[in-house]
This record gives sequence, structure tokens and C-alpha cells, in this order.
Amino acid sequence: KQEVTQIPAALSVPEGENLVLNCSFTDSAIYNLQWFRQDPGKGLTSLLLIQSSQREQTSGRLNASLDKSSGRSTLYIAASQPGDSATYLCAAAQGGSEKLVFGKGTKLTVNP
Amino acid sequence: SQTIHQWPATLVQPVGSPLSLECTVEGTSNPNLYWYRQAAGRGLQLLFYSVGIGQISSEVPQNLSASRPQDRQFILSSKKLLLSDSGFYLCAWSGGGEVGNTEAFFGQGTRLTVV
Repeated sequence: KQEVTQIPAALSVPEGENLVLNCSFTDSAIYNLQWFRQDPGKGLTSLLLIQSSQREQTSGRLNASLDKSSGRSTLYIAASQPGDSATYLCAAAQGGSEKLVFGKGTKLTVNP
Repeated sequence: SQTIHQWPATLVQPVGSPLSLECTVEGTSNPNLYWYRQAAGRGLQLLFYSVGIGQISSEVPQNLSASRPQDRQFILSSKKLLLSDSGFYLCAWSGGGEVGNTEAFFGQGTRLTVV
């Protein structure tokens, strides 16, 4: 059974700092790994999707990497801003139905 | 472009009352559809998923059921709500017909409080 873990559970940084969020998964047989952002009381916004054959994806200040062999993914946020404050979730897709198994998230606070 | 609509945004229901949450997707056909529940401190839990009309898979035993009467409509129901059904319910879709490498998109969620 796939288990996804995110460390740390919470992170507070000053504005402008570069930071890394970590995600690990126990079963390397995934189809893809997806990073989401969730603002309080809101739904999930997709940030980046890394397919199983890829090593990384970039969108603006965000870069996500995937190492299936070690069961790890990282989300790198460059030059963080207060507007980046949110909970970041990673999810691994399993099986033909693309069921997503989620980590519990990292709550990020960027202080001005 | 594709959009997903989920309603209502908030709901307060007494114990023992019925429930119906609706989710519709526009701009795509034959999507995979999902219902998740997010409880405080427990992360997102997959409740149901559907790969086609009338095809529903349940992930966990519970007081809830799901139906897919149309290609882009997914309904979460209960005949009698329990206090433990309280939570944040999220509907999601991903590209149907293409296994493995499609992105999932979520609705804005329904905050259900059972009193």
C-alpha cells in the first residue's frame, strides 16, 4: 500500500528565501507525481505534474524533481513571497484509474 | 478550457438527515471522477472514483455512496448523516481514456458540518 510522507509539516521563512519541500513515497511504481497548493478553506490548485519518465518540471519560480528509485520528490520555490503562503501537498498516482495518494502537506508561511 | 463545479460551498446538516453533493465537469469528455474527504490532521482520503457512467469504485467502507448518472456528473450521497461525516469534501477529475500521465484538477470543495 502506497504511503506518502511530507517533511516538514510546517515551515516559516523570511521573504526572498529559496526553499525546498520534501515528499517521499514507499512504492516506486507510480504513474506520476503531482504537487498542489491549497489555500485555507479552498480546493487544491495543481502546480506541477511530473510523469514517471521525467526527472523534473519547472513553472516560473517552482521546480519539482522526481527520483523514483529513491522514492523522493522535492518542490523548490525560488525567491519566496508572502503570496506563496499556503499548504503544499504532493500526491502519487497509482494504477490504471490514476488514484492519487496524498501526503498530509507542508504548511508554508512566508513572512514579509 | 475545462472547469469543475462543486456545490454547495458550505452545508450544515443535522444528524440523520440525507446528503447530496453534486459535481460537474465542463469542457472534457469521459473524465475519471473522484470524491475525496479532507479531515483535520488526516490528509485527503479517496472515497470513490469512477472511470465511466455507472461505474463506481469505493475505497473505504462508510456511510456514503456515489453515483455517476451522466458522463460529467458525479454525486455524493448519504441516507442518514453521522457526526463523523463532517469534513471538507472535494471533487476532482483527470483525463479519461489515457492511463497514467494526466493531471488531476479539483473543485473548490464543500465544507460539511453535521450537528
